[in-house]
Amino acid sequence: KQEVTQIPAALSVPEGENLVLNCSFTDSAIYNLQWFRQDPGKGLTSLLLIQSSQREQTSGRLNASLDKSSGRSTLYIAASQPGDSATYLCAALTQGGSEKLVFGKGTKLTVNP
Amino acid sequence: ETGVTQTPRHLVMGMTNKKSLKCEQHLGHNAMYWYKQSAKKPLELMFVYSLEERVENNSVPSRFSPECPNSSHLFLHLHTLQPEDSALYLCASSQSLAPGYGYTFGSGTRLTVV
Repeated sequence: KQEVTQIPAALSVPEGENLVLNCSFTDSAIYNLQWFRQDPGKGLTSLLLIQSSQREQTSGRLNASLDKSSGRSTLYIAASQPGDSATYLCAALTQGGSEKLVFGKGTKLTVNP
Repeated sequence: ETGVTQTPRHLVMGMTNKKSLKCEQHLGHNAMYWYKQSAKKPLELMFVYSLEERVENNSVPSRFSPECPNSSHLFLHLHTLQPEDSALYLCASSQSLAPGYGYTFGSGTRLTVV
């Protein structure tokens, strides 16, 4: 059974800092990995989708990497801003009969002005 | 708006009430999903529909009843809920069940059962 873990559970940084959010998964048989952002009380906004054959994806100040063999993905945020404050979720689309998107519990990021 | 619209945004209901959550997508996607998000727990998949047919029911109690009348609309009918059913209910869609496609989520319905 796929398990997705995100560390740390919460992170507080000063504005302007570069930061890395970590995601690990136990079953490397995945189709893709997706990073989402969730603002308090709101739905999920897709940030980046990395296919299993890819190593990284970039969008603006965000860069996500994927290492299937080690069961890890990272989300790098450059020059963080207060508007980046949110909970970041990673989810792995897992193979095995009934493909399922399995989520981690998220990392709550606070960027202080 | 992401292209997936959920209504209502907030719902408070008593344990004896019957209510429905609605999800609508205008993305031309063929697969739709209901997820439950409870405090301090990962998102839990509840139901999966592909081309209006239910393909997965993830051990969800019968007090939750999904309906997918067409590929653009998905409902979650609620009756005799329990306080522990209070959560954020999220609808999502994807191009199809074929792997490789990302999911698009709605803003959710915050449900409180009193």
